[in-house]
Amino acid sequence: KAGVTQTPRYLIKTRGQQVTLSCSPISGHRSVSWYQQTPGQGLQFLFEYFSETQRNKGNFPGRFSGRQFSNSRSEMNVSTLELGDSALYLCASSPSALSGNTEAFFGQGTRLTVV
Amino acid sequence: AQSVTQLGSHVSVSEGALVLLRCNYSSSVPPYLFWYVQYPNQGLQLLLKYTSAATLVKGINGFEAEFKKSETSFHLTKPSAHMSDAAEYFCAVKAGGFKTIFGAGTRLFVKA
Repeated sequence: KAGVTQTPRYLIKTRGQQVTLSCSPISGHRSVSWYQQTPGQGLQFLFEYFSETQRNKGNFPGRFSGRQFSNSRSEMNVSTLELGDSALYLCASSPSALSGNTEAFFGQGTRLTVV
Repeated sequence: AQSVTQLGSHVSVSEGALVLLRCNYSSSVPPYLFWYVQYPNQGLQLLLKYTSAATLVKGINGFEAEFKKSETSFHLTKPSAHMSDAAEYFCAVKAGGFKTIFGAGTRLFVKA
């Protein structure tokens, strides 16, 4: 069974640009969550989608948005990039958001560098 | 609200020594608790999880953790460290609204 796939793995963007990151969850998983990881802030929760609906949202500005498609694939978008957006963005999928004891399965992440 | 505190951002042990990584949680409802490991430039991988079935949980690579409700702790241990254990370890809690909250992480160094 293929794992969580994130594309691209590495990305360099200029301040002010926008970027779209993609995540394909494990087959059959309907929940996709996104996290931002930086050395100073650790893992920060961005948002979670389940069956194309956003279920939870972290404390990030509106420049960060996401969506989930009917096949459970998810994208996140960051507009008007700032230097501080440089981070490793991790996507995680779970079989179901309704069962609390299911763990998250992580992709390898997309390393975004804003210059 | 739920939260996780990992004591010690860096822990250094000698190869063969005991590994102890500390995690304390806060949750208003019975929590599910997890330990994940992250190797450089990789995503997180599940080591073990507590789901209320047993307070002592065994995971992969010889790691185990004990849930202590009275101490609100879920410390991770391994009897004998190996060089390959060097990585960053994250404790996480999940409760109520199904959002997983991660601790700040503890980087484990293993000295030869």
